[in-house]
Amino acid sequence: QVQLQQSGPGLVKPSETLSLTCVVSGYSISSGYYWGWVRQPPGKGLEYVATTYHTGRTYSNPSLKSRVTMSVDIPKNQVSLNLTSVTATDTAVYYCVRGDPREWSVDSWGQGTLVTVSS
Amino acid sequence: DIQMTQSPSSLSASVGDRVTITCRASQTINMYLNWYQQKPGKAPKLLICAASTLQSGVPSRFSGSGSGTQFTLTISSLQPEDFATYYCQESYSTPPAFTFGPGTRVDVK
Repeated sequence: QVQLQQSGPGLVKPSETLSLTCVVSGYSISSGYYWGWVRQPPGKGLEYVATTYHTGRTYSNPSLKSRVTMSVDIPKNQVSLNLTSVTATDTAVYYCVRGDPREWSVDSWGQGTLVTVSS
Repeated sequence: DIQMTQSPSSLSASVGDRVTITCRASQTINMYLNWYQQKPGKAPKLLICAASTLQSGVPSRFSGSGSGTQFTLTISSLQPEDFATYYCQESYSTPPAFTFGPGTRVDVK
């Protein structure tokens, strides 16, 4: 059974870069599927951030595209997210996810990391 | 961009009730529609993909239907563990946009 274990700081200052890492166990990220992030502002709904394939092909939310970078580390079986120039509106629970390209569904989720943007 | 709406935004129901949630897309998405359940403080869980395909392990009281622009999630007999927020998500866009609906909260009457 695939497991997604997230890590990263819970507090980021405005204008700085939010960085999160997701270690995947139980499945090799080079075997397929897309890997990425969905976020949820406190008390609000779900918002897609970005997903990437092990080849480096990346899709991202157009509203965030210019600030999002994703990377894949196959030997470590992990993916990482960098979101630059953050503001208070980027405060959210960030979930690491696995995306199934057959149905473009999210079939596995990490535990979630609350990231607060505040000075 | 495809926009997703859900109705109602919240509903109150009792154990044993039949519950129906509607999701609408701003344009046709064929059957490219997924449903998720989220309980407070937890990550969402995929219930149904491709409008009507129940995921492994999901109870059969959950069902999905629809195509085009209108979809429904039905819980045939609400159980205590079903009180949660439900989200639809379109999977039609290219490149994938994973656009979610705003959610429908199901709570105790």
